[in-house]
Amino acid sequence: DTVLTQSPALAVSPGERVTISCRASESVSTLMHWYQQKPGQQPTLLIYLASNLESGVPARFSGSGSGTDFTLTIDPVEADDTATYYCQQSWNDPFTFGSGTKLEIK
Amino acid sequence: QVQLQQSGAELVKPGTSVKLSCKASGYTFTSNHMNWIKQTTGQGLEWIGIINPGSGGTSYNVKFKGKATLTVDKSSSTAFMQLSSLTPEDSAVYYCARWHEGFAYWGQGTLVTVSS
Repeated sequence: DTVLTQSPALAVSPGERVTISCRASESVSTLMHWYQQKPGQQPTLLIYLASNLESGVPARFSGSGSGTDFTLTIDPVEADDTATYYCQQSWNDPFTFGSGTKLEIK
Repeated sequence: QVQLQQSGAELVKPGTSVKLSCKASGYTFTSNHMNWIKQTTGQGLEWIGIINPGSGGTSYNVKFKGKATLTVDKSSSTAFMQLSSLTPEDSAVYYCARWHEGFAYWGQGTLVTVSS
């Protein structure tokens, strides 16, 4: 299976720029997607196909990357962005998720 | 608007089976594949499998073959997942999620607790 590696946690202050990384154990082309999950809620799609902003998602969120290295950027960060962020690939079978990066807003 | 309404929490005994449901509304049920995803604190998010509501065709994560069975009822726009031979390791929140260039829509999740 394709393993997606994310750093476990980050802490930033409101107004700062934050980048969350996701490294794949093998190429996933640009078939990488990003989700936000707040406590007690289901995940929501932020970015699809590496760099496309899902409808209704603030333009503060952006994604980049291809192959094995991907980045989710939030600029500027707001207090409401406190959540866990997951990457997910759909290039290789089975679909797999990263273990999540917990973002704390100081 | 697209909604996926999942069935309520289940408390089940080891060795038994459970059938979860996911009722879709706000779109043409057969136009998008439906997925099921497991979430636990220890293992995170795991993709279980996908079903084409139009044809009934399925594809499973090898890890869940024999554990999960995906079906649909087109007449009620409902997707189902049956989990069999339950063990405590099957305790989790299970989500249905509609696929469209990512898991674009998710149900609210169903908590399954396996305990004697």
